[in-house]
Amino acid sequence: GAVVSQHPSWVICKSGTSVKIECRSLDFQATTMFWYRQFPKQSLMLMATSNEGSKATYEQGVEKDKFLINHASLTLSTLTVTSAHPEDSSFYICSPRWREGEDTQYFGPGTRLTVL
Amino acid sequence: QKEVEQNSGPLSVPEGAIASLNCTYSDRVSQSFFWYRQYSGKSPELIMSIYSNGDKEDGRFTAQLNKASQYVSLLIRDSQPSDSATYLCAVRLIQGAQKLVFGQGTRLTINP
Repeated sequence: GAVVSQHPSWVICKSGTSVKIECRSLDFQATTMFWYRQFPKQSLMLMATSNEGSKATYEQGVEKDKFLINHASLTLSTLTVTSAHPEDSSFYICSPRWREGEDTQYFGPGTRLTVL
Repeated sequence: QKEVEQNSGPLSVPEGAIASLNCTYSDRVSQSFFWYRQYSGKSPELIMSIYSNGDKEDGRFTAQLNKASQYVSLLIRDSQPSDSATYLCAVRLIQGAQKLVFGQGTRLTINP
C-alpha cells in the first residue's frame, strides 16, 4: 500500500487557537487529496477534496473559512483548523489519490485533535 | 436513505467461526466497493476491493457483490481475536470527484 504520513499524530490546543495538520504522500505524487474527519463512534465523513494547485471543494456543512486546505505540491497537503472550538475535537484523516481514475484509496495514520 | 448502510453491531463471533458483515448502498450505478478495517484509535486499512458480481477471495477474507440487490458482504473465515475491529464498507461514487462514501461501520468482536 501507499505510504502516507500525517503530522502531528495528536494535538491538544486551547479554544480559539489554530492548528495545522500536515499530510505527506511519501512514495507517490498525489494529484487529489481527500480530507476526512471522524467523531467518536461514528464513521468517516468527507470534509473536502483538493486538487494540486487549485482550491478545495468542500462538502455541504463544512465551513471553508474555518477549515483551510492547502495542496500546493503533489506530496504535501495541509489542513488548518482556525479558531478551534471543542466541537472541532475529532480524528482528522487525509487520503491521497495519485491520479484520477485510480481506485485504490489509502489513508494517513490520522491526527487526533482535542480542543479544550 | 443513507448512501451506504451497515448494521452497527456489535457483532460477536466465537474464535474459529465465520464472521459475516453486510452492507447495502443506494447509488445503483456505483462500480467500486471496498472493505476497510479500523482498529480503535487508528485510521482505516484496506482489506479488499471488489468490482464485479460474485465472490472475491483473499486469504481468510471473501467479499461478495450483488449489484442487482445493491448488496456487498464480507466473510471472515477462521475468525481470530485479532480480527476484532470495526469494519467499514465504502462505495465510490461515479459522479464529480468520485469520492468514497463510508457506511457507519460494524463493530466485530471475536471471542476466544
